[in-house]
Amino acid sequence: EAQVTQNPRYLITVTGKKLTVTCSQNMNHEYMSWYRQDPGLGLRQIYYSMNVEVTDKGDVPEGYKVSRKEKRNFPLILESPSPNQTSLYFCASSLLALSSYEQYFGPGTRLTVT
Amino acid sequence: GQNIDQPTEMTATEGAIVQINCTYQTSGFNGLFWYQQHAGEAPTFLSYNVLDGLEEKGRFSSFLSRSKGYSYLLLKELQMKDSASYLCAVRFPYNTDKLIFGTGTRLQVFP
Repeated sequence: EAQVTQNPRYLITVTGKKLTVTCSQNMNHEYMSWYRQDPGLGLRQIYYSMNVEVTDKGDVPEGYKVSRKEKRNFPLILESPSPNQTSLYFCASSLLALSSYEQYFGPGTRLTVT
Repeated sequence: GQNIDQPTEMTATEGAIVQINCTYQTSGFNGLFWYQQHAGEAPTFLSYNVLDGLEEKGRFSSFLSRSKGYSYLLLKELQMKDSASYLCAVRFPYNTDKLIFGTGTRLQVFP
């Protein structure tokens, strides 16, 4: 089944404790992206990647890191999480960048930082 | 930054037609998406417009006017399952893959 998976789905952590949210897609998509969704603010793009070893900042990259060493995986790293990073996170992928191709979203990761 | 404006909430009756508007700044525009998101779930793709005009897909249609920075999503023959948030997302600037989302319009369909 074609899908985007994220792990974990739910995470409660403490300020400053490094964490990684994994994202994987099995559709051989070139483009992958991370978003956070907050009430009243909508979906905001954190980072995106147009292919292996090619990443770029979205609108809200501060406090996050990403890597794209393999086509299928695009982990999101929070080196020192803070309470303002409490949010719902979505990973998405699409076949190609710079095109009309739809993005497929993962199920979301609800992160709480205390 | 780019502003994308949508109404926050709308209500409609089962079987009716509803139009959800989206306006954006025109500079650097490179395509507009509509997504549907049910509460607690991931967004799912509805439509993509890059040229002016109406794109029809079953009960859903999407319209774009690039000169006016305006799009709408038209939902016909509303069903209860259409109760969801509808997200307008615009790609710009040209030649990158940055996607800016509006805050979404929450649609409630009543019997």
